[in-house]
Amino acid sequence: GAGVSQSPRYKVAKRGRDVALRCDSISGHVTLYWYRQTLGQGSEVLTYSQSDAQRDKSGRPSGRFSAERPERSVSTLKIQRTEQGDSAVYLCASSGQRWDDYGYTFGSGTRLTVV
Amino acid sequence: QKEVEQDPGPLSVPEGAIVSLNCTYSNSAFQYFMWYRQYSRKGPELLMYTYSSGNKEDGRFTAQVDKSSKYISLFIRDSQPSDSATYLCAINTNAGKSTFGDGTTLTVKP
Repeated sequence: GAGVSQSPRYKVAKRGRDVALRCDSISGHVTLYWYRQTLGQGSEVLTYSQSDAQRDKSGRPSGRFSAERPERSVSTLKIQRTEQGDSAVYLCASSGQRWDDYGYTFGSGTRLTVV
Repeated sequence: QKEVEQDPGPLSVPEGAIVSLNCTYSNSAFQYFMWYRQYSRKGPELLMYTYSSGNKEDGRFTAQVDKSSKYISLFIRDSQPSDSATYLCAINTNAGKSTFGDGTTLTVKP
């Protein structure tokens, strides 16, 4: 397809369990973000990877978040030992490398609820 | 202090009003300035993109950048109920890495 797709659309996880969220980005795009939106805390970047399939830059809030990119257009966000504060919408976004292509295309997100 | 600060809102305006959405930033290396619109239960979509100081107009939308003040704005003229959404500013360095504002939720009442 032409867009970024994420799966699953909704995920419920028991506290303490690990979860994996998938993103299929646009073929040819080299930069990929995982981004979290919560009502109380706004938006924050979790991981960011560029070009190198295996490299990711884990951001806040802790090392519980990591991203793997087994193929350039596929990324999996892994959350270890989920906490209730991880309940949020997780967005994947990708972009190309041209200077005028720095806008990101977002998926519709995965809504994670930790119970 | 965050690198990008966005007026938090929420904003509620009557149909036809002019809306002003604002962000400030601290990093002089930022060169590219974007506004995204996000409807409920959807991912953000790129609305406007600019890389120079001044105004850029697209229909009812005007993006304004003041690099000397490190201040960007999005103006919406003749606002419509369909403009009700969350608006996110995003600013890039030359390397392409985006830093996002937290978003401002706008409601336009008919």
